[in-house]
Amino acid sequence: SQKIEQNSEALNIQEGKTATLTCNYTNYSPAYLQWYRQDPGRGPVFLLLIRENEKEKRKERLKVTFDTTLKQSLFHITASQPADSATYLCASGGNAGNMLTFGGGTRLMVKP
Amino acid sequence: DAGVIQSPRHEVTEMGQEVTLRCKPISGHDYLFWYRQTMMRGLELLIYFNNNVPIDDSGMPEDRFSAKMPNASFSTLKIQPSEPRDSAVYFCASRGTSGTDTQYFGPGTRLTVL
Repeated sequence: SQKIEQNSEALNIQEGKTATLTCNYTNYSPAYLQWYRQDPGRGPVFLLLIRENEKEKRKERLKVTFDTTLKQSLFHITASQPADSATYLCASGGNAGNMLTFGGGTRLMVKP
Repeated sequence: DAGVIQSPRHEVTEMGQEVTLRCKPISGHDYLFWYRQTMMRGLELLIYFNNNVPIDDSGMPEDRFSAKMPNASFSTLKIQPSEPRDSAVYFCASRGTSGTDTQYFGPGTRLTVL
């Protein structure tokens, strides 16, 4: 079965810098990867989707890449702000019916 | 739209008691998912429905867990009897048929079994 791996250690960066989070999948290449943001005490909120045949997707200060050779997606937040502090979840989908497989998430802390 | 609604938001119960979690999906969405989130195991899919029919329940931990969706606007997840290891945050999510398979999550129910 598919496994989605994210760095479980928190990422601490200074405000204004670019945050880069990593998502690795272990088996087959998913049809797409999704990124969600989760704040404490709340449910995940969808941010971006990137398909297998897309190398890069952007939305405002967010950028996602998909490298099928490395079996990896990178999630970038440019000009980071303290309000970007949250846990970011990567999820694979499109292959196993209508289900998503989530990674464990990476907590991002942006310090002023 | 109010988004996905879950109740209760917090539930504290004693081992052996029955627990019922409730979910109202976004109107018009025909997929509904139940997840469980813990620090150790992350976000795990328990079961999902399409048009009120259970499609995949392979994530349901054991027979103590059951889920129903009697109509398009309501679903329940029941644990009977509950055990301390069931303590977790339970999320309900819904999505429509077309588009990018984006799932919309509810605020979750934090369950504590003593």
